Amino acid sequence: DTGVSQDPRHKITKRGQNVTFRCDPISEHNRLYWYRQTLGQGPEFLTYFQNEAQLEKSRLLSDRFSAERPKGSFSTLEIQRTEQGDSAMYLCASSLGPEKLFFGSGTQLSVL
Amino acid sequence: AQSVTQLGSHVSVSEGALVLLRCNYSSSVPPYLFWYVQYPNQGLQLLLKYTTGATLVKGINGFEAEFKKSETSFHLTKPSAHMSDAAEYFCAVTPSNSGGYQKVTFGTGTKLQVIP
Repeated sequence: DTGVSQDPRHKITKRGQNVTFRCDPISEHNRLYWYRQTLGQGPEFLTYFQNEAQLEKSRLLSDRFSAERPKGSFSTLEIQRTEQGDSAMYLCASSLGPEKLFFGSGTQLSVL
Repeated sequence: AQSVTQLGSHVSVSEGALVLLRCNYSSSVPPYLFWYVQYPNQGLQLLLKYTTGATLVKGINGFEAEFKKSETSFHLTKPSAHMSDAAEYFCAVTPSNSGGYQKVTFGTGTKLQVIP
């Protein structure tokens, strides 16, 4: 069990640029979640995959956000035309069921 | 639909004193309830969980929580605070309906400060 791995740890970008984050879940976990966390707030749900199927996407998420999980293994989260309001910690978690989520250390995005 | 309310964004206790972090939930179906902890510069990790059975659940590092359905609460306690308990604590809820997808919803967190 190598844990959930996220890459990069930090990303600084200019407003309007596209960014992509990667998450490698624990290998036997079929469920994968993306959350966003801003200072002073709890993790906010973005989207959820069971295997390669994206089963839910938050209504709060604009069309600039897209996530994929090809082959049900790693996942990518892309943000197009970034805005300053997108600055946050992006968290990935994986699990076999809802009883225990295993979180990665997150990707800190700063949009200048 | 489900939601979590954590009372108090910051709690300070003296070392050796009782820790009490409050959590109230709302869920349209019987819930599973969780406490996660986030130490500085680390990812969230599960502290304890309630799914079914005994309503008083014990977790790591001496923490425990009690599920009270009548009060829709799941408060976290520890009899004696240690300096290493300083962290941010998140209460979370998910519906217990078996099978299928279950979204985990988090509260806004309580930052615990332990004063020597």
